[in-house]
Amino acid sequence: DADVTQTPRNRITKTGKRIMLECSQTKGHDRMYWYRQDPGLGLRLIYYSFDVKDINKGEISDGYSVSRQAQAKFSLSLESAIPNQTALYFCATSDPGGDRVGNEQFFGPGTRLTVL
Amino acid sequence: QKEVEQDPGPLSVPEGAIVSLNCTYSNSAFQYFMWYRQYSRKGPELLMYTYSSGNKEDGRFTAQVDKSSKYISLFIRDSQPSDSATYLCAMSADTPLVFGKGTRLSVIA
Repeated sequence: DADVTQTPRNRITKTGKRIMLECSQTKGHDRMYWYRQDPGLGLRLIYYSFDVKDINKGEISDGYSVSRQAQAKFSLSLESAIPNQTALYFCATSDPGGDRVGNEQFFGPGTRLTVL
Repeated sequence: QKEVEQDPGPLSVPEGAIVSLNCTYSNSAFQYFMWYRQYSRKGPELLMYTYSSGNKEDGRFTAQVDKSSKYISLFIRDSQPSDSATYLCAMSADTPLVFGKGTRLSVIA
């Protein structure tokens, strides 16, 4: 079974619609992240959470919001989707108490979002 | 200037070649350096991890960090078609990782 799962895997929606992307993990990690990946721009951090009560903005948080419902769940919402939010979205987790104190991140399989 | 610079390629090499992938960075506080490999339609997976300066070898892969030059490298020996992927460098101080844009590598049989 996958340690980090994302739903849905693919989504096509229209401009102005509200969209929620969900991430669940069974790794027991406290830290969770949302990234988007665009051709030529690499991975850009949207939001991250170091525990259930902690939410932090990343490099490109405008137009997005998040909810950390539990240690294992971290959701990303697009309140009113626009075409330039078309991208591949990744959730990741990390464990600061693990052997790799350098914050190694484990990624989910990604959600491909298309906004028409 | 971006914190992490990585040539996006694409890079195409024949099977068996030695591949060199590189990143430069500007933040002298970075001390954890990683290389991730991403196959098409998959999430990135950690390939190599290095703390501070020095070299680390794992099979056909060698990671090098030169903190004085703010330069990191990944070498792949005897490259195989299965090495065809996008390679992303990543680094951090004690914060979320900062990623390079990734280099797309194709190894031709």
